[in-house]
Amino acid sequence: GAVVSQHPSRVICKSGTSVKIECRSLDFQATTMFWYRQFPKQSLMLMATSNEGSKATYEQGVEKDKFLINHASLTLSTLTVTSAHPEDSSFYICSARDERQSYEQYFGPGTRLTVT
Amino acid sequence: EDQVTQSPEALRLQEGESSSLNCSYTVSGLRGLFWYRQDPGKGPEFLFTLYSAGEEKEKERLKATLTKKESFLHITAPKPEDSATYLCAVWGSWGKLQFGAGTQVVVTP
Repeated sequence: GAVVSQHPSRVICKSGTSVKIECRSLDFQATTMFWYRQFPKQSLMLMATSNEGSKATYEQGVEKDKFLINHASLTLSTLTVTSAHPEDSSFYICSARDERQSYEQYFGPGTRLTVT
Repeated sequence: EDQVTQSPEALRLQEGESSSLNCSYTVSGLRGLFWYRQDPGKGPEFLFTLYSAGEEKEKERLKATLTKKESFLHITAPKPEDSATYLCAVWGSWGKLQFGAGTQVVVTP
């Protein structure tokens, strides 16, 4: 299957600072990438859909000014959590859709964000 | 609105004891149904995509089937390394995956 990487795997930051998370599709080009958030013992919650070269589409209730998404190339999308607060602490996971043939969606390993 | 319901919530199996997980769905214009495996602290690992009713796919001890209303993930003679949370998701006309809550499977030796 296709490979999606995320960096960093875990990050601790202080309240009020910003954190950037990178998501890369390593062996395919992804026009569409997705960002999810997962709380303990819960399923994945879609935050936004990222399309290469255009603005991201955010799900209802997700603050676009707080969670900045950039999809500048066909292999890289970034999520920046601006002015982070402890309630932003969570597990963030990206995914990329492989549109070469089957539209399968592959996930990265996730980033554990802790805001102190 | 697309909905996905997985059952049971949790399943405890003895090694070698086969079982099935259920994923019931309602979706506007099904484009695909996905199964993933997720280990604690990791991202979901892709298992299968099923596109139409009657389709079946197999991978090692896992077999996924699809009808117009539900999908089953059959685990044959499971081993402890099959312990994980199994997630089902539907891809509908909205263009994004709608996930179920998952089934947590524990296989004991």
